[in-house]
Amino acid sequence: EVQLVESGGGLVQPGGSLRLSCAASGFTFSSYAMSWVRQAPGKGLEWVSVICGDDGNTYYADSVRGRFTISRDNSKNTLYLQINSLRAEDTALYYCAKGRIASCYDGLDYWGQGTLVTVSS
Amino acid sequence: DIVLTQSPDSLAVSLGERATINCKSSQSVLYSSNNKNYLAWYQQKPGQPPKLLIYWTSARGSGVPDRFSGSGSGTDFTLTISSLQAEDVAVYYCQQYYRPPFTFGPGTKVDIK
Repeated sequence: EVQLVESGGGLVQPGGSLRLSCAASGFTFSSYAMSWVRQAPGKGLEWVSVICGDDGNTYYADSVRGRFTISRDNSKNTLYLQINSLRAEDTALYYCAKGRIASCYDGLDYWGQGTLVTVSS
Repeated sequence: DIVLTQSPDSLAVSLGERATINCKSSQSVLYSSNNKNYLAWYQQKPGQPPKLLIYWTSARGSGVPDRFSGSGSGTDFTLTISSLQAEDVAVYYCQQYYRPPFTFGPGTKVDIK
């Protein structure tokens, strides 16, 4: 059974940093693209970032490029999102999601329950 | 960036009736070399993470009932629920994965009339 468990969220002051983690199990982690998608309270889904499983390429939303860094440790079956220079508008539930295949260019077939990041002074 | 718009913002349909949601892309998401449209649909029920319903415009995700179907090409796409069930109350999102950033539409809320 595929499982994705996010952690690392919390309350942080503007300008602060966090590292989110997503522990994966139930599939060959290294063989799939992995993504982060966020959802502000009461709002829609916002795609954040992806790391491809075939070539390791990474892509970012314009709103986070230069502040967020996605990475993966295939030996630990874990996906990360380093988030720096946090702003109030980064407040959201952050979901980890598995790609259907290794390529980044496909849908997201499994999602975690999310970890909440709140940016406030 | 590719912008997706959805219509309507919300709709209420009687049980057993058809629900139709539209998604329009600011650019074509049809890749000519393989004739595939890089578009997916997700369902999100209250308090739950999204669930993949449809990928490649019309392929159903694992375990998705056949009352859900997707169609369209280029810039215009449709998700159809042929016979609405109570458990289909949710917000539905389209997403393009043709070109990063892989944007989502704003969502369409479906309720029971």
